[in-house]
Amino acid sequence: KQEVTQIPAALSVPEGENLVLNCSFTDSAIYNLQWFRQDPGKGLTSLLLIQSSQREQTSGRLNASLDKSSGRSTLYIAASQPGDSATYLCAVGKGAQKLVFGQGTRLTINP
Amino acid sequence: DTEVTQTPKHLVMGMTNKKSLKCEQHMGHRAMYWYKQKAKKPPELMFVYSYEKLSINESVPSRFSPECPNSSLLNLHLHALQPEDSALYLCASSPLGGGSIAKNIQYFGAGTRLSVL
Repeated sequence: KQEVTQIPAALSVPEGENLVLNCSFTDSAIYNLQWFRQDPGKGLTSLLLIQSSQREQTSGRLNASLDKSSGRSTLYIAASQPGDSATYLCAVGKGAQKLVFGQGTRLTINP
Repeated sequence: DTEVTQTPKHLVMGMTNKKSLKCEQHMGHRAMYWYKQKAKKPPELMFVYSYEKLSINESVPSRFSPECPNSSLLNLHLHALQPEDSALYLCASSPLGGGSIAKNIQYFGAGTRLSVL
């Protein structure tokens, strides 16, 4: 059974810092890996999707990497802003449509 | 239009009530999903419809009954729920077809917050 773990559970940093969120998974036979953000009481917003054959994806200040062999992914956020405060969820694709989510990292960026 | 619309936003129901949640998208997506999210927990997949046919049912109790009347609309019919079914119910859609990796990106609605008394 695929298990997805995110560390840390919560992170608080001052504005402007670069930061890394971690995601690990137990079964390397994945279809893809997605990072989402969720604001309190809201739905999820897709940030980046990495296919199993890819090593990284970039979008603006965000960069996600994937190392299937070690069962790890990282989300790098450059020059953090207060608007980046949210819960970040990593989700591993067991197939094209079946996602298994981690517990999330609650990020707070302090002005 | 990259929006998935869910109604109602909030729903309170008794254990003997019958109610329905509605989800709509006009992005031409051919896969639609229902997730359940308890407080401070990640979303858990319930159902997936692909090309209007139920393709995944994650052993969800029969008091939850999904329906996909057409490619833009997804309903979740609720009957005889229990208080532990109180949660945020999220709908999502994805393109499904085409060769781009974007076909698997899931777009989520804001959810329906359900309270069962």
